[in-house]
Amino acid sequence: KAGVTQTPRYLIKTRGQQVTLSCSPISGHRSVSWYQQTPGQGLQFLFEYFSETQRNKGNFPGRFSGRQFSNSRSEMNVSTLELGDSALYLCASTPGGTALSYEQYFGPGTRLTVT
Amino acid sequence: GNSVTQMEGPVTLSEEAFLTINCTYTATGYPSLFWYVQYPGEGLQLLLKATKADDKGSNKGFEATYRKETTSFHLEKGSVQVSDSAVYFCALSPLGGNTPLVFGKGTRLSVIA
Repeated sequence: KAGVTQTPRYLIKTRGQQVTLSCSPISGHRSVSWYQQTPGQGLQFLFEYFSETQRNKGNFPGRFSGRQFSNSRSEMNVSTLELGDSALYLCASTPGGTALSYEQYFGPGTRLTVT
Repeated sequence: GNSVTQMEGPVTLSEEAFLTINCTYTATGYPSLFWYVQYPGEGLQLLLKATKADDKGSNKGFEATYRKETTSFHLEKGSVQVSDSAVYFCALSPLGGNTPLVFGKGTRLSVIA
């Protein structure tokens, strides 16, 4: 089974621009979560989508948004980029539904650099 | 609320040394516990997990035991290799799932030959 894929792997953007990142989950997985990883803050949860609906949301400003498509692929968008948005953005998928063990499978990440 | 506390790194060991990375948690009820590993330039990989008290998760020579009485899930390996150099994250999933994983800040391990 193919793993979680993320595109692009690397991005360089300028302050004020917007960016869209893409994530394809493992086949059959219906839940996709997004995380921001920075050296200072570690791993921070952005949001989770399940069956095209946002199910959980972290504490990030409205500039960060996402969506999920009917094939479970997900995109996240960051508008009006700031220097502090430079980070590794990780996507993770899980079968979803109800589960006692919320085991997530991560993609390789998209490295975003804002200049 | 739910939280995970890991020992701060970096941890530097010689090859074949014994490894312990401490992890304690705070959670309501009995969460599932995980260790993830991140190799340079990659995403996180699930290393091992435990879903109930006294469970021992193990993989690739690494072990961790779910200790309810001490709310701990320490990672151990008897003999580390250079290839184990990575960042290790302890995480919990609150009871019932369907809520985000809560991660510790990560511990960087460097193993030197």
